[in-house]
Amino acid sequence: EAAVTQSPRNKVAVTGGKVTLSCNQTNNHNNMYWYRQDTGHGLRLIHYSYGAGSTEKGDIPDGYKASRPSQENFSLILELATPSQTSVYFCASGVTGTANTEVFFGKGTRLTVV
Amino acid sequence: KTQVEQSPQSLVVRQGENCVLQCNYSVTPDNHLRWFKQDTGKGLVSLTVLVDQKDKTSNGRYSATLDKDAKHSTLHITATLLDDTATYICVVGDRGSALGRLHFGAGTQLIVIP
Repeated sequence: EAAVTQSPRNKVAVTGGKVTLSCNQTNNHNNMYWYRQDTGHGLRLIHYSYGAGSTEKGDIPDGYKASRPSQENFSLILELATPSQTSVYFCASGVTGTANTEVFFGKGTRLTVV
Repeated sequence: KTQVEQSPQSLVVRQGENCVLQCNYSVTPDNHLRWFKQDTGKGLVSLTVLVDQKDKTSNGRYSATLDKDAKHSTLHITATLLDDTATYICVVGDRGSALGRLHFGAGTQLIVIP
């Protein structure tokens, strides 16, 4: 069964601190994505990756970095966390090159920056 | 500008009733459209995907339609159950490969009451 695991599931961080959100997938998918979900908005793409060693900017990359050290792992890094980054973050993995791209989501990480 | 609009924003139905959720979009090109179910505090689970110019799918009590000419999709839920209480999210993919993006609606919150 397709699996995307995020950690931690909940995080409280202080303003100016560094936060790392981790994502692991066992689907052997090339593509991985980080989104944030805020009330009244659809999911918004922060960073994505086509494979190990690659990271690409999404629609709202400012204030975030990403790292894809392996096929299985994709991290989202907030070097200097701000209260505006309080949100629920979702990681997803997907398949490359199919007519209708398959995508599986993790259960989300609730981040609160105080 | 929001490219995927869902209506209604929220909906309350009694268990056993049918309901219809709407999705209008302006995404171009529109390779495919997918409906997700998101339980509170959980990740997104795919219900169905529509691909053809005029497409229909059925998955148990869920059925969906897509009209790419009208850029419109509907999700029908028949004989609702309490467990159908969730947010339903419409997502349009603008390519069939990794080069494409997923465009998310803000979701329709469905509440099923006894």
